[in-house]
Parts: sequence; structure tokens; C-alpha cells
Amino acid sequence: EPEVTQTPSHQVTQMGQEVILRCVPISNHLYFYWYRQILGQKVEFLVSFYNNEISEKSEIFDDQFSVERPDGSNFTLKIRSTKLEDSAMYFCASSPDRVTGELFFGEGSRLTVL
Amino acid sequence: EDQVTQSPEALRLQEGESSSLNCSYTVSGLRGLFWYRQDPGKGPEFLFTLYSAGEEKEKERLKATLTKKESFLHITAPKPEDSATYLCAVLIYSGNTGKLIFGQGTTLQVKP
Repeated sequence: EPEVTQTPSHQVTQMGQEVILRCVPISNHLYFYWYRQILGQKVEFLVSFYNNEISEKSEIFDDQFSVERPDGSNFTLKIRSTKLEDSAMYFCASSPDRVTGELFFGEGSRLTVL
Repeated sequence: EDQVTQSPEALRLQEGESSSLNCSYTVSGLRGLFWYRQDPGKGPEFLFTLYSAGEEKEKERLKATLTKKESFLHITAPKPEDSATYLCAVLIYSGNTGKLIFGQGTTLQVKP
């Protein structure tokens, strides 16, 4: 069964360092998303991506964040200068349809900022 | 403001003891209500989509229902493997895609 894969599963970094989280969405999906979940809190929308550009981004997704699809298969989330409050589980998701809530989530990348 | 609230936050059941989880929502123009299951350390896994009041969906021991203001996830004769966090979400249209607004979840523990 096709699945969304994410790497790394856990990353520990120092405050101020750059982090890149990687995702391989399901191959025939066209719409990609990043969500995050701070420990004990709700899953929150960060950004959606379609046709090689951002479709929508939340207030959380400020200038420190960027996404790209560098090679047609990977989908990355970059945090330029990490802060303590960026510590969270980051989930990548993909879907075949334009507007759907039936997303396929990866297992997540846990980011710990010290 | 679009909002999703789930109750209870945690629920402990004995195996075979049926119960219901609640999801109430405030959203301008419901485009769909979704239930997901999340196991510890994993990503959410899609369970159900509900679009209109009165709609019901079933999967094994789970049944989801929808009214104009809330949704229920009924668990009939649960087993220990049903232990997980159940997330409710509403779909908001934005730009070329939709985005999900999640509730905080109900963590279910089923004891043998």
C-alpha cells in the first residue's frame, strides 16, 4: 500500500540552526501539506502546496519557513533559524484531490530544539 | 472563528463497554467533517468523511454521525486495539486547496 514517508524521524538541533525535513508523498498525488503538532496540543495546518507553489499558509508559517519540491518526488520543509518553540512533531501529508480532507499523513518528524 | 472542540479529553473503557465521543464545531460553511485515528508517535490515519446532517458512516466497531452542530463517534463493544487518540477535523476551503482544522482529540484507552 502506498504511503507517505518522512525523514528524519527525530532531529535534535541547537537554537538558531537550520533544519530541513524531508517527505516523499504518494507518487500520483498532486497536493502536499505540512502540519505540526506541539506536544499535547492540536494538529495545526502550516502550509499547502500545489503546482510548485504555495497555495495557502497559516500565520505560523512566517519568513523562517519555506517549502519546495526540488526534484519532483521529495517535498521539503526548511526552518532557517530554529527557535525553542519550533519543537514539535511535523507531519507531511498528500492528497490526489484539490479540496479534500482525506489526507494521507506520514509518520512525522520529531524536531527538538535545544 | 472556525473552531472544533472534542470531549471528553480522555476516556477509559473496559473491553466490550460501548461509548461515544463528541465533536462540536463552529465553522462558516461546513465543507466536510472528518474523523482520524492517531496512534502514539504516528501520523493521523483517515477514518470517515461526513458531509451533511443526518449522514452516518460505519467501519467495524466505529460509527460516525453528523448533526448541524456536532458529530459523534460511537464505539460498539470496543477491543484493546481500538485504543488510540481520535481526532475530529473540519475542512476549510482556502486558495486552491483545503485545510483541516483539528480538535484536540479524545484519547481512548480500552482495557481487557
